[in-house]
Amino acid sequence: KAGVTQTPRYLIKTRGQQVTLSCSPISGHRSVSWYQQTPGQGLQFLFEYFSETQRNKGNFPGRFSGRQFSNSRSEMNVSTLELGDSALYLCASSLSPLAGPYNEQFFGPGTRLTVL
Amino acid sequence: QQPVQSPQAVILREGEDAVINCSSSKALYSVHWYRQKHGEAPVFLMILLKGGEQKGHEKISASFNEKKQQSSLYLTASQLSYSGTYFCGTPVDGGATNKLIFGTGTLLAVQP
Repeated sequence: KAGVTQTPRYLIKTRGQQVTLSCSPISGHRSVSWYQQTPGQGLQFLFEYFSETQRNKGNFPGRFSGRQFSNSRSEMNVSTLELGDSALYLCASSLSPLAGPYNEQFFGPGTRLTVL
Repeated sequence: QQPVQSPQAVILREGEDAVINCSSSKALYSVHWYRQKHGEAPVFLMILLKGGEQKGHEKISASFNEKKQQSSLYLTASQLSYSGTYFCGTPVDGGATNKLIFGTGTLLAVQP
């Protein structure tokens, strides 16, 4: 079974630009979560989608948004990029929207975003 | 609140044992353990549930101490492949969603 795929793997943008990142979950998985990973803050939850609905959101400004399509693929968008947005953006897919014992979250390889 | 992991880093020789702890100031519903190698995605290791149910995929064991609000990951007879950063994550809403709050990580280096 193919794993979680994320595109692009690397991005370089300048301040003020916007960016869209894509995540394709494991086949059959309908829940997609996004995380931001930085050396200073670690892994931080951005948002979670299930059946095209945002079910939870982390403590990030409104410049960060996302959506999920009917095929469970998800995108996240960051507008008006700031230097502090430089990070590894990870998405994770799982079968169920509930963090239960048989609902492992599988992470993709991430998109490394650098803002200059 | 973010779980606290200890130690922050540990260096081992192959064959040695290590214990990584994950503590929370809030009641724990479950603890999810991941390992991340440099430049790679976090890989799921194990879920520990309140009540002791454990589910994992590798020969690494863990415990859940509900009284102490703590989980411990045990790596015995460590191998070079165990090197990486270990994260614990806990659901923030009793498992009602997939939102996990992760600890700051424990860097484990296994040397030959």
